[in-house]
Amino acid sequence: KNQVEQSPQSLIILEGKNCTLQCNYTVSPFSNLRWYKQDTGRGPVSLTIMTFSENTKSNGRYTATLDADTKQSSLHITASQLSDSASYICVVSAGGSQGNLIFGKGTKLSVKP
Amino acid sequence: ETGVTQTPRHLVMGMTNKKSLKCEQHLGHNAMYWYKQSAKKPLELMFVYNFKEQTENNSVPSRFSPECPNSSHLFLHLHTLQPEDSALYLCASSPRGGEAGNTIYFGEGSWLTVV
Repeated sequence: KNQVEQSPQSLIILEGKNCTLQCNYTVSPFSNLRWYKQDTGRGPVSLTIMTFSENTKSNGRYTATLDADTKQSSLHITASQLSDSASYICVVSAGGSQGNLIFGKGTKLSVKP
Repeated sequence: ETGVTQTPRHLVMGMTNKKSLKCEQHLGHNAMYWYKQSAKKPLELMFVYNFKEQTENNSVPSRFSPECPNSSHLFLHLHTLQPEDSALYLCASSPRGGEAGNTIYFGEGSWLTVV
């Protein structure tokens, strides 16, 4: 069964600190992996999208990594800011139609001053 | 501002009411989607439209009825809903239909409460 598991479920860090969010997947076939940021009460916004051949991709202070062999991805946030408080959702595409996107439950990050 | 606009942002309706959610995208995309997001659950795909044609219906109950009059507009008609249908309903669009590499752009969502 295609699944995307994210950890931790929630995380609290102090402003300025770094953190890493994890995503493990059992999706086949694999097409690409995406990370989205969702602020409370708002729609998700795309951060990165990586294909099989990409190991890392950055978007400002966000860096995503992908290990297609172990089927793991991580999202690293550097020098966190209060505005980073949000849910981060890992999404894996099984290819073909857009109906084959498998969503994780998300990690809720709280950045405290 | 993602280019995908949803109205209303909040809706409270009784189980016997009929209401509609509206979505409009200003990105020139050809595919539009409805997703449901419930607390502590992953996003669930409901419907996909490519070039105004419905290409996916993810076993959604008939009390949810989508309508796509053109590539820029998408509606979700609601009728005799249940309290468990209370959720955040997200509209989204992508440049080309049916291609897995496209980024999906989400609207801000419509918070629905069924009483």
